[in-house]
Amino acid sequence: SAVISQKPSRDICQRGTSLTIQCQVDSQVTMMFWYRQQPGQSLTLIATANQGSEATYESGFVIDKFPISRPNLTFSTLTVSNMSPEDSSIYLCSVLAGGSYNEQFFGPGTRLTVL
Amino acid sequence: AQSVAQPEDQVNVAEGNPLTVKCTYSVSGNPYLFWYVQYPNRGLQFLLKYITGDNLVKGSYGFEAEFNKSQTSFHLKKPSALVSDSALYFCAVRDLANNNDMRFGAGTRLTVKP
Repeated sequence: SAVISQKPSRDICQRGTSLTIQCQVDSQVTMMFWYRQQPGQSLTLIATANQGSEATYESGFVIDKFPISRPNLTFSTLTVSNMSPEDSSIYLCSVLAGGSYNEQFFGPGTRLTVL
Repeated sequence: AQSVAQPEDQVNVAEGNPLTVKCTYSVSGNPYLFWYVQYPNRGLQFLLKYITGDNLVKGSYGFEAEFNKSQTSFHLKKPSALVSDSALYFCAVRDLANNNDMRFGAGTRLTVKP
């Protein structure tokens, strides 16, 4: 299994500012994902962040808006840049762990509110 | 592209009654299917998965799911619902052909009434 922590757990930010969310895993993992979830809604994949390569973004998400770092096998950051109220959401870090890559684990999420 | 559909936004059952949360999938190859549960203000918790083998998969908290290839379904079931089962349930499929990422259904809110 993998235990994932995220910082901050929640934040309230002003329009036009940026927030960096940290994701820490208690074991080394190759594949890491960032998701966005509106409260009570489904999860939308933002990007896949594999160590040693550039993050791969899904349609509708761009690097300038959501830059991602993956400096090592246990850590990643997601920045939400130039925020607007539409960015208010829960941001989730997730990893694939286990020998067969069949187990996907999720962090507790970061609840972001943009005023 | 692989996807899952959860046709019901909401499912209401009485405590002690059986429950079913529906999920259908669309894949190009063999499906890797999952169920997750999300309690209020909590992260996603893994319930169960189907990779291969027996069509009936047993998971956490007394839940089980039946993989039906002919109907492309993976419905979540529990013989006797508890009030504490009330939560948001997500069906998901692993896209092996696309960087192994997980595609989620829209979610079904289960409410179990005493």
